[in-house]
Amino acid sequence: AQKVTQAQTEISVVEKEDVTLDCVYETRDTTYYLFWYKQPPSGELVFLIRRNSFDEQNEISGRYSWNFQKSTSSFNFTITASQVVDSAVYFCAPQGGSEKLVFGKGTKLTVNP
Amino acid sequence: NAGVTQTPKFQVLKTGQSMTLQCAQDMNHEYMSWYRQDPGMGLRLIHYSVGAGITDQGEVPNGYNVSRSTTEDFPLRLLSAAPSQTSVYFCASTNLGTQAYGYTFGSGTRLTVV
Repeated sequence: AQKVTQAQTEISVVEKEDVTLDCVYETRDTTYYLFWYKQPPSGELVFLIRRNSFDEQNEISGRYSWNFQKSTSSFNFTITASQVVDSAVYFCAPQGGSEKLVFGKGTKLTVNP
Repeated sequence: NAGVTQTPKFQVLKTGQSMTLQCAQDMNHEYMSWYRQDPGMGLRLIHYSVGAGITDQGEVPNGYNVSRSTTEDFPLRLLSAAPSQTSVYFCASTNLGTQAYGYTFGSGTRLTVV
């Protein structure tokens, strides 16, 4: 079974600051996927990224980047030059062979103007 | 495409009442699941299905029933509502083995049991 820890419950930054959201996971599967989802104040869940456990390359998408370290079971998410619209709860979620997606408790990010 | 449609969006129930939360998807996804979201708890898996006629329990299945008679629909039934079931419920779907675009979530049902 998968387990995920998002140690940061809440983070508050000022606009244009960079911020990193931490995610540490546990899994017994040799092949698995890692996801990040965003939940803005409106409540919907927005898919951000999926990473295959065999692919340890870091990924950048605009102001977003992800650092996958299989050796430390971490999949951290960095927002560069944060904006007020980035304010949301962010969830890290591993998914193993059973197809079940297991969510962390989330990190609430507040970006202040 | 409508994606994943959940109804109703809001519901208030009295303790002991029963109701069904509806979930429908039009993407021909094999996998469908139900989560509940409570403050500080993230999303917890209630039940899931890998195809029509197949369902299984997740992390918190007690008090809930599901069925999957068609690929498109995956209703969640509360047989006798309890205040502990006050939560926001999300339905999600995906294609098995090819979750390149992640799971698609419905907009949620906010349920209050009084």
